[in-house]
Amino acid sequence: KAGVTQTPRYLIKTRGQQVTLSCSPISGHRSVSWYQQTPGQGLQFLFEYFSETQRNKGNFPGRFSGRQFSNSRSEMNVSTLELGDSALYLCASSSAGTSSGEQYFGPGTRLTVT
Amino acid sequence: DQQVKQNSPSLSVQEGRISILNCDYTNSMFDYFLWYKKYPAEGPTFLISISSIKDKNEDGRFTVFLNKSAKHLSLHIVPSQPGDSAVYFCAASAGNSGYALNFGKGTSLLVTP
Repeated sequence: KAGVTQTPRYLIKTRGQQVTLSCSPISGHRSVSWYQQTPGQGLQFLFEYFSETQRNKGNFPGRFSGRQFSNSRSEMNVSTLELGDSALYLCASSSAGTSSGEQYFGPGTRLTVT
Repeated sequence: DQQVKQNSPSLSVQEGRISILNCDYTNSMFDYFLWYKKYPAEGPTFLISISSIKDKNEDGRFTVFLNKSAKHLSLHIVPSQPGDSAVYFCAASAGNSGYALNFGKGTSLLVTP
């Protein structure tokens, strides 16, 4: 079974621009979560989608948004990029329909904002 | 604020000995706990988990212990191997928050031959 894939792997953007990151979950997994990893804050939960609906949201500004498609693939968008948005963005998928369950992570997208 | 804390940023252990990684949490609503391992340039890999109804879960060389009264969990790796060298993250979730995992900042484990 193929793992979670994320594209692109690396991205350089300029402050003020917007960016879209993509995540393809493991086949059959319907839950997709997004996390931001920075040296100072560690891994922080952004949001989670299940069956095309946002089920949970972390404490991030509205510039961070996401969506999920009918095939469970997910995208996250960051508008009006700030220098502090430079981070590794990780996507994770899970098969369980209940509130707990192991999440399987992709390799991440390294975003650098200059 | 950080609800899951890993107070040791790094740990060095000799091959064959026991590695003990610790994690503390503050939110009493957490009912599911997980450990992940992360190598550079890769996403975290799930290792082992434990539900709050248990106090121990074992999988091969890995054992997780949960002390709910102390809000503390630990991961034991026995025996430690050089391939175990990685960053280990503790994570927790509350039943009513779906898959929103709260992560600690990680402990970098180095297993020396």
